[in-house]
Amino acid sequence: QKEVEQNSGPLSVPEGAIASLNCTYSDRGSQSFFWYRQYSGKSPELIMFIYSNGDKEDGRFTAQLNKASQYVSLLIRDSQPSDSATYLCAVRDSGGSNYKLTFGKGTLLTVNP
Amino acid sequence: DTGVSQNPRHKITKRGQNVTFRCDPISEHNRLYWYRQTLGQGPEFLTYFQNEAQLEKSRLLSDRFSAERPKGSFSTLEIQRTEQGDSAMYLCAIPGTGGYFGYTFGSGTRLTVV
Repeated sequence: QKEVEQNSGPLSVPEGAIASLNCTYSDRGSQSFFWYRQYSGKSPELIMFIYSNGDKEDGRFTAQLNKASQYVSLLIRDSQPSDSATYLCAVRDSGGSNYKLTFGKGTLLTVNP
Repeated sequence: DTGVSQNPRHKITKRGQNVTFRCDPISEHNRLYWYRQTLGQGPEFLTYFQNEAQLEKSRLLSDRFSAERPKGSFSTLEIQRTEQGDSAMYLCAIPGTGGYFGYTFGSGTRLTVV
């Protein structure tokens, strides 16, 4: 069974701080990794994806990937109260052509004004 | 507008009743996915369509669940003889755009079985 584990929350940071969210995965052959943001009562929204080892930056968000350690992270700089949400890590299954994603349970982030 | 319309948004039903949800992608996509999300959990894969063919089903999809995509466009998910454990958000997803393989989710259907 392919698994995706996320650091247990909830995570609380003050406004302006850096929020760090972590994820590990079991499928060593996985090549594509995604971060989704989910506000309470809403559906998940894709905010970042990463394929290559290293860092990928998009505005205040940085995704980091280390395939050798099977580890993905998301950094949110200058956190804002509007960033308060559950963040879901997702990994695309290796093999086959179904492009199925396996999700972690999510980490609830609260940014305090 | 997420590019995927799901109806109804909310459904309250009595245990033992049948329910049907619908997913309408705004544009054509050959792949379509159904996921279920319960409180405090991430989305869990239910089933996947390539055009009208249902190519994969999760063990979560008991024989009370059936999904169709008759013309390779919209899809329906039916639950027969609903149980309280079926209470969840049911999410439909299509492939994202821009050359990557993430999903775009619909707004979901929240099912409450009482």
